[in-house]
This record gives sequence, C-alpha cells and structure tokens, in this order.
Amino acid sequence: DTEVTQTPKHLVMGMTNKKSLKCEQHMGHRAMYWYKQKAKKPPELMFVYSYEKLSINESVPSRFSPECPNSSLLNLHLHALQPEDSALYLCASSPLGTGKNVLTFGAGSRLTVL
Amino acid sequence: DAKTTQPTSMDCAEGRAANLPCNHSTISGNEYVYWYRQIHSQGPQYIIHGLKNNETNEMASLIITEDRKSSTLILPHATLRDTAVYYCIVRVRPRLPIYNTDKLIFGTGTRLQVFP
Repeated sequence: DTEVTQTPKHLVMGMTNKKSLKCEQHMGHRAMYWYKQKAKKPPELMFVYSYEKLSINESVPSRFSPECPNSSLLNLHLHALQPEDSALYLCASSPLGTGKNVLTFGAGSRLTVL
Repeated sequence: DAKTTQPTSMDCAEGRAANLPCNHSTISGNEYVYWYRQIHSQGPQYIIHGLKNNETNEMASLIITEDRKSSTLILPHATLRDTAVYYCIVRVRPRLPIYNTDKLIFGTGTRLQVFP
C-alpha cells in the first residue's frame, strides 16, 4: 500500500459545527503532516507529527486541533471555523531515519465553511 | 531555508522536452533541491531531488549548476498528463533524520501547460 487516504473528500460545515478530517497511511511512515491550500496558492504547512508527537505547529489558530492516535492515523478536528478557512486540506506522510524524507500526499479534503 | 524563484508559467508541445528552471541563489552547502508537482485537484507528487550531482529517475532529470545557484527539471518527452504546477523547493536535511522531519515549504511554482 503506497497511498495516503483522506476522508471525507468534501465537507460543508457551518461556523458553529464541530467536524473532523481523517487521514490514514499503511506505509509504516512515522512522520505525518497537515497542509492547507487556498485556491491558486501553494500548500501551506500547518502541523507535523513525528513518532505520534506534535513536532511542528506553524502558529495555527486553536480552532484547528490535530490528533495522532497511532502511527497510521492523523485527524484534524475543526471547531468554530470561519468562512476564510474554506480550503483544500492535504495530509502527507514520510519515513524517518532514511535520509530521504520524501512526502507522500493524499488527494485532500475540500472544506467549505458557510 | 533558501528561497526559490520560478517562472509563473510555461508552455510545452507534447512530445518535446520540458525544461523548468529554478533559481536558488542563496542555497547553502547542505541544502537539497526537491521537485514536486501538483496536477489539478490532486495532492502534490514527488518527482526528484538532488544535492550536487545531476539526478535521473523514471519521471525526470534534475540538472544542478556547478555553483548550485540554479537547477533545471527536465521532462524528456512531455505528455498532456504532465500539465501541472511544478514546485522547486530547497530543504535542509535534518541533522538527526531519525527524529526530525522535513519541513517542506512550497513556493509559488511554475504552471506548465502541455499542448497537443
């Protein structure tokens, strides 16, 4: 299995809703990432997990809450979002310790906040 | 990390070689050059990376100048499916790769349009 699977593919939520984005990989990668991508812009790094511990938080607002319950799963919990948070959310994973930290990305979850 | 500069857009005829340039004039000696591409509505896809020497794989070739201040990604026989945004990224290899991750920061990229 060489894929990163993200669910759901599309999500529409109101500003008072609580929802979650999920990401799964079975490549044995011990680093996992969340990126946010607005239309016609490059992906922006949000969070990085290394060995299931949060290692990088790019000053992301607390309405985005990441969680890494085990080495295969990565969640992004969403609460009280704003319309400007509408974007494509990309999950990625990479191996650690090989010296070749190439990221494998999922297809993304497209979020619309009303 | 060193900043990269790429042309905003390029065109290429199908079957011809696509040469995508990237300037990274502030690159340091231990910084790698990575290339990713993003086809519309998909996640970015790794293409190739290198440090000093030219590299080739089944997807592309990477030519890095001797002073390492610029590089060129070459798609030898472009197809319509190569139409995408191509990102050149310079990244420091972590001192302790067993613990530290790549903090991949994307620039604006080059939008390559392959036409019939």
